[in-house]
Amino acid sequence: SQTIHQWPATLVQPVGSPLSLECTVEGTSNPNLYWYRQAAGRGLQLLFYSVGIGQISSEVPQNLSASRPQDRQFILSSKKLLLSDSGFYLCAWSNPHTGANEKLFFGSGTQLSVL
Amino acid sequence: GESVGLHLPTLSVQEGDNSIINCAYSNSASDYFIWYKQESGKGPQFIIDIRSNMDKRQGQRVTVLLNKTVKHLSLQIAATQPGDSAVYFCAETYRNTDKLIFGTGTRLQVFP
Repeated sequence: SQTIHQWPATLVQPVGSPLSLECTVEGTSNPNLYWYRQAAGRGLQLLFYSVGIGQISSEVPQNLSASRPQDRQFILSSKKLLLSDSGFYLCAWSNPHTGANEKLFFGSGTQLSVL
Repeated sequence: GESVGLHLPTLSVQEGDNSIINCAYSNSASDYFIWYKQESGKGPQFIIDIRSNMDKRQGQRVTVLLNKTVKHLSLQIAATQPGDSAVYFCAETYRNTDKLIFGTGTRLQVFP
């Protein structure tokens, strides 16, 4: 079966510090991968998605970047965090091989607090 | 632009009653819809989905209804239980794109 791992679960970082969140998927090959951000009490905003190694699409201009160095690894980064980067970050994957590529499966999330 | 929204931000129900969570969408080209459940501090979990060629789909204790005429989607939960307490999101996509568009969510509170 497929599983998605996301870490760390919580993170407190000072303003101006770098960020690296990692997400890996097991049990599938060539998944579509996604990073979402969720502000407290709000919906999910798509930040990045990737359909293959090295292929990253950015949905909104921001202080963050994403990379996909391996097929099942997706990394969210920042060189200098802003207060506004605080939020709940969710990694997700979908299977493009079944014809139901829109169905997303989410990781457990990372609660990021920038102070 | 396209948007997916929810009518009620918070819904409170008695344990054992049925719950109905509503969602409106604005893109008539949307052809696939999903309901997710998100418990506090966790990632959203898939509940049920429906394609635009259907108007009703049933799962275990849950039913999704789709009314394409008025662009409305609802999630019905039968015999609501305390474990159903969570935030529920609807999401849409269209033309087999790789992205889901999420609504803002409805919080369901179940009282004993």
